Amino acid sequence: SAVISQKPSRDICQRGTSLTIQCQVDSQVTMMFWYRQQPGQSLTLIATANQGSEATYESGFVIDKFPISRPNLTFSTLTVSNMSPEDSSIYLCSVGEGLMNTEAFFGQGTRLTVV
Amino acid sequence: AQTVTQSQPEMSVQEAETVTLSCTYDTSESDYYLFWYKQPPSRQMILVIRQEAYKQQNATENRFSVNFQKAAKSFSLKISDSQLGDAAMYFCAYRSDYGGSQGNLIFGKGTKLSVKP
Repeated sequence: SAVISQKPSRDICQRGTSLTIQCQVDSQVTMMFWYRQQPGQSLTLIATANQGSEATYESGFVIDKFPISRPNLTFSTLTVSNMSPEDSSIYLCSVGEGLMNTEAFFGQGTRLTVV
Repeated sequence: AQTVTQSQPEMSVQEAETVTLSCTYDTSESDYYLFWYKQPPSRQMILVIRQEAYKQQNATENRFSVNFQKAAKSFSLKISDSQLGDAAMYFCAYRSDYGGSQGNLIFGKGTKLSVKP
């Protein structure tokens, strides 16, 4: 299975600032996904990141707020911009793997607290 | 759009006993994948078990097994011989196998499992 390293593991940020979360995979993968998990809630897809193309955002998420980079097949970043307390969540990156992309593995998650 | 429903917000089981977590889903697709993930307090999402919709045989992984009822759109997880380390949030998830799908997972709201010693 893919090994996914996500950094930072946690951070406390001031409102109005931005935080960039990194996701590094130990193998080349086509699809990378970013999810948000609000306190006590399930995971919601923010966007899908393919290498060499613009990320595809889900309804309710916009590029200006959550810009994503995917410079190569093993790395992606998610930035949470102009943060407010409502952005306090766990952010997780995920990759698909295996034949027909049937496996899905996750990074350790980033616990973000905005004060 | 596909949806996943976990109707049990919390469950409790005695150590060494068996517990079943429920999951139902709604889809018009015939080919898809279903997953159970475990999320302990460390927040790491751990894949527990996976089921391909085209397979009639229920998936098993050691103490974990599923009851997949495709017609009923039901996908329950059975944990046998429960251990203290099984205590966690459990999420049921759906992934489309449709060619136009992005490949992302759709999650249920989760079931918090407690294991009593």
